[in-house]
Amino acid sequence: DQQVKQNSPSLSVQEGRISILNCDYTNSMFDYFLWYKKYPAEGPTFLISISSIKDKNEDGRFTVFLNKSAKHLSLHIVPSQPGDSAVYFCAASATGANSKLTFGKGITLSVRP
Amino acid sequence: NAGVMQNPRHLVRRRGQEARLRCSPMKGHSHVYWYRQLPEEGLKFMVYLQKENIIDESGMPKERFSAEFPKEGPSILRIQQVVRGDSAAYFCASSEGENTEAFFGQGTRLTVV
Repeated sequence: DQQVKQNSPSLSVQEGRISILNCDYTNSMFDYFLWYKKYPAEGPTFLISISSIKDKNEDGRFTVFLNKSAKHLSLHIVPSQPGDSAVYFCAASATGANSKLTFGKGITLSVRP
Repeated sequence: NAGVMQNPRHLVRRRGQEARLRCSPMKGHSHVYWYRQLPEEGLKFMVYLQKENIIDESGMPKERFSAEFPKEGPSILRIQQVVRGDSAAYFCASSEGENTEAFFGQGTRLTVV
């Protein structure tokens, strides 16, 4: 049972354009959402997070939007850079669930120079 | 401030042998999590530990797998009598407390031959 879904396995964008990575979840108990970036043979690196009390969080080129009614979140990267090419994981946790993260399968982003 | 340190980075074991994976959390972090990533999959939660205590092991297989986080020293994930299906990347993460960002190590890639 996939509680966090990243339905597009890959995304290719031109350098300088916007990258939009989508994530859907089914568990209404989730109240904290995170995005991680992962390069091959390395561990995931935390990018940005959002609490369910907010609908937007911005950090530099990265913005995460949360639509609770649709159980949907998205990560916007603008402008995209070649160094952004990596696998991006969406993750979620629920208060009282011991902070364990439920991950999606990841999206491979390729930014073309 | 060193990040989460995992060793070894790569581990090859024959079927039936034991695998021991080590994780030293970031300085000041007392919460440790272990995740497993199978090929083409997202990370799956295995176990959450605090010093000398297992808080949540709901993601651990019932047999052959165990974890500890002693008062002194690293956290250990032990897999007894390994089978081919145990081949995966095992990631450790640490955090300062519950519902704070978890930082991941680079992982241990276990190959069972």
